[in-house]
Amino acid sequence: EVQLVESGGGLVKPGGSLRLSCAASGFTFSSHSIHWVRQAPGKGLEWVSSISSSGSYIYYADSVKGRLTISRDNARNSLFLQMNSLRAEDTAVYYCARAAAGGDPWSYYFDFWGQGILVTVSS
Amino acid sequence: EIVLTQSPGTLSLSPGERATLSCRASLSVSSNFLAWYQQKPGQAPRLLIYGASSRATGIPDRFSGGGSGTDFTLTISRLEPEDFAVYYCQQYGSPPGTFGQGTKVEVK
Repeated sequence: EVQLVESGGGLVKPGGSLRLSCAASGFTFSSHSIHWVRQAPGKGLEWVSSISSSGSYIYYADSVKGRLTISRDNARNSLFLQMNSLRAEDTAVYYCARAAAGGDPWSYYFDFWGQGILVTVSS
Repeated sequence: EIVLTQSPGTLSLSPGERATLSCRASLSVSSNFLAWYQQKPGQAPRLLIYGASSRATGIPDRFSGGGSGTDFTLTISRLEPEDFAVYYCQQYGSPPGTFGQGTKVEVK
């Protein structure tokens, strides 16, 4: 069974940092690109960042470029999102989502999602 | 950047009725890389349709997708109680992987 489990969320002050993790199981992690998608309270879905299966291709939304860094450890079946210089508008539930295949993250739909982890940026 | 506009914002229907949701793109979606997701309160999104018209594994055949280029639709032929939720379209052909703002299908 494909599983994606996010962790590392919580309350952080503006300007602070947080590192999210996404633990994958039930599939060959190194064969799939992975995305981070977030959802602010009561709002819609917003794509945040993507990384290809090998880590060679990385993409960011303009709203997080320079502040958030995506990475992965295929040996540990894990995905990470290092979040620095956090702002109130980064408050959201963060989901990791699997792309249906590997290579460049684009051209493949998001076929499995984790349950999400809440990040709250507030003083 | 491709902007996706969904309509209507809210659809009020009764169980057994047909639901038709629209998703319009500001630019043509390459290779029809358009997906639909369902989200219920407190849950993660679930993939329903990919490639504009292909049903994901385990999705009932009352869900169907259509369209191409800039105009896409999701149709639920007969609403079941479990179908009342928010539906999002998304283009995944190029970054950023933009989502529509969502259509809420609620019980009339």
